Amino acid sequence: NAGVTQTPKFRILKIGQSMTLQCTQDMNHNYMYWYRQDPGMGLKLIYYSVGAGITDKGEVPNGYNVSRSTTEDFPLRLELAAPSQTSVYFCATRAGPNTEAFFGQGTRLTVV
Amino acid sequence: DAKTTQPPSMDCAEGRAANLPCNHSTISGNEYVYWYRQIHSQGPQYIIHGLKNNETNEMASLIITEDRKSSTLILPHATLRDTAVYYCIVRVKPPPGTYKYIFGTGTRLKVLA
Repeated sequence: NAGVTQTPKFRILKIGQSMTLQCTQDMNHNYMYWYRQDPGMGLKLIYYSVGAGITDKGEVPNGYNVSRSTTEDFPLRLELAAPSQTSVYFCATRAGPNTEAFFGQGTRLTVV
Repeated sequence: DAKTTQPPSMDCAEGRAANLPCNHSTISGNEYVYWYRQIHSQGPQYIIHGLKNNETNEMASLIITEDRKSSTLILPHATLRDTAVYYCIVRVKPPPGTYKYIFGTGTRLKVLA
């Protein structure tokens, strides 16, 4: 039982490149979230999903896209990387609206 | 969009109780209060959550005021390993009934030897 798995752990991108951050969970949770955390700051919600086929914007969705074709996977796509997207990205899941959330260990992304 | 207010930092002596306050004056009647902590740059770790009654588990206690406008997380015997940023979170429920959880800036707790 791996919980929430994020890949890669580290990545350096050049400005304008694209990439997909992967998040996979084996807990059969319906709710999934993507957050970003800039140095010394709190977490900002990017996108979330309440089930397969359903996604919605969070606080800071610009520059990102998500999809949720299965319960297990919730990938985050960066199409045109910008230095402002340098951050640590966390994926989280929860079984329902009133339950605890489980976080992955994060992906540290640097855009140069 | 912030729904909680916490002091930016606190110190606590090792072995003493750490009391971390949180204001959530706009919380609605059926919303839970959640507490998480983040050690270094690891993923946030769940601590405890509650609705209106006080809650206790192996990590901490949660005291929620009767009007539910504020709460306090209590670490009964703080250790150096409890040094972390502590987040108090309530759910934001925009229509048409989906839910998102917004983190505030948290309280940076430093446990002193």
